[in-house]
Amino acid sequence: AQSVTQLDSQVPVFEEAPVELRCNYSSSVSVYLFWYVQYPNQGLQLLLKYLSGSTLVKGINGFEAEFNKSQTSFHLRKPSVHISDTAEYFCAVSRFDNFNKFYFGSGTKLNVKP
Amino acid sequence: EAQVTQNPRYLITVTGKKLTVTCSQNMNHEYMSWYRQDPGLGLRQIYYSMNVEVTDKGDVPEGYKVSRKEKRNFPLILESPSPNQTSLYFCASSLGRSRPGETQYFGPGTRLLVL
Repeated sequence: AQSVTQLDSQVPVFEEAPVELRCNYSSSVSVYLFWYVQYPNQGLQLLLKYLSGSTLVKGINGFEAEFNKSQTSFHLRKPSVHISDTAEYFCAVSRFDNFNKFYFGSGTKLNVKP
Repeated sequence: EAQVTQNPRYLITVTGKKLTVTCSQNMNHEYMSWYRQDPGLGLRQIYYSMNVEVTDKGDVPEGYKVSRKEKRNFPLILESPSPNQTSLYFCASSLGRSRPGETQYFGPGTRLLVL
């Protein structure tokens, strides 16, 4: 069975401060990893993904994430956040042996304060 | 404009009254999928389709049906809705082509209330 854990349901942060949103997963097989962002009253859009290769991946809007296989983690980071980054962020995985099936975490609401 | 559209955007219905939520994409994508989003649970996959006439169950398929008769459309059918199907529903599509990690494009969502 797959599980994706986002331990922090809410993360408040001041504008221009760095932020890290945590994601851990459990799986009996290797996985592909994704981060999606959902702005208020909108659908989700892809921020970044890890399929293979370099464990540090860069995405849109200055976000990056690092895949750590030994810790089964895929934490999302941004060195300096803006008010416009206020949104809900979802980590997701799909398995190597069935990449058509997706498992999402419960989401982390990032609230950037002025 | 490339997009995924869902209709209706908001729906209030009563228990047992069959309903269909439509999903359409104009990007010639092979893969389409339905999710439900509930507070504290994130998104859970209901059904997905790799191509026309090819569908499979996601994590929470009970109480739902789908069909994929044409490439662009992937309707979600609730034959006998119950209050526990009150949720926010998203349709998504991606290029597919049996390649992993293709970017999913999400529709705007359909908010369903079952009384």
